[in-house]
Amino acid sequence: NAGVTQTPKFRILKIGQSMTLQCTQDMNHNYMYWYRQDPGMGLKLIYYSVGAGITDKGEVPNGYNVSRSTTEDFPLRLELAAPSQTSVYFCASRKPGQIYEQYFGPGTRLTVT
Amino acid sequence: GENVEQHPSTLSVQEGDSAVIKCTYSDSASNYFPWYKQELGKRPQLIIDIRSNVGEKKDQRIAVTLNKTAKHFSLHITETQPEDSAVYFCAASGDTGANSKLTFGKGITLSVRP
Repeated sequence: NAGVTQTPKFRILKIGQSMTLQCTQDMNHNYMYWYRQDPGMGLKLIYYSVGAGITDKGEVPNGYNVSRSTTEDFPLRLELAAPSQTSVYFCASRKPGQIYEQYFGPGTRLTVT
Repeated sequence: GENVEQHPSTLSVQEGDSAVIKCTYSDSASNYFPWYKQELGKRPQLIIDIRSNVGEKKDQRIAVTLNKTAKHFSLHITETQPEDSAVYFCAASGDTGANSKLTFGKGITLSVRP
């Protein structure tokens, strides 16, 4: 298994541009999450999904959108990039049920200038 | 919602000494408490976790203790080695559905001096 994969690894955006961060997992996990990590601030939940067709907001959803059309994919969309969205973005997934571990992807480093 | 606080924010220990990192949480409904290790430029990886029906769990040099009454849990690393140097995050969550969201602390940077 490849686990959780994310593309791209790095991206520089200009203010106002849009982009989609891709996240795919091949572990048949129902639950998927998007976090952002800013220096010294831990990981903040942006959006999450408990299954295909179901998404919900996390702690910091403003400026982002998500969709979940399949179990494997959970893309994160930035519509109008702002400097405040400069961050490292991690996608994670886990099984429902008794195994609670979240598996993280390698991250996407995004700079908005 | 849940609030997880982690302290201290940095910790430096001599190689071979023990390190203890403490976290507090606010939501008494939380029942799952993982610890993640993140090396520079890498993804967070689970190193140990504990559920609310257990008071202590150990895995080789690392252990986690949980005090539900006081709402705090701690990571203990014994015989520290330079490769233990990293950022450590604690987190708390429930188990299913919307409650499966992890709330993370801000992280602590552990430095192990050779």
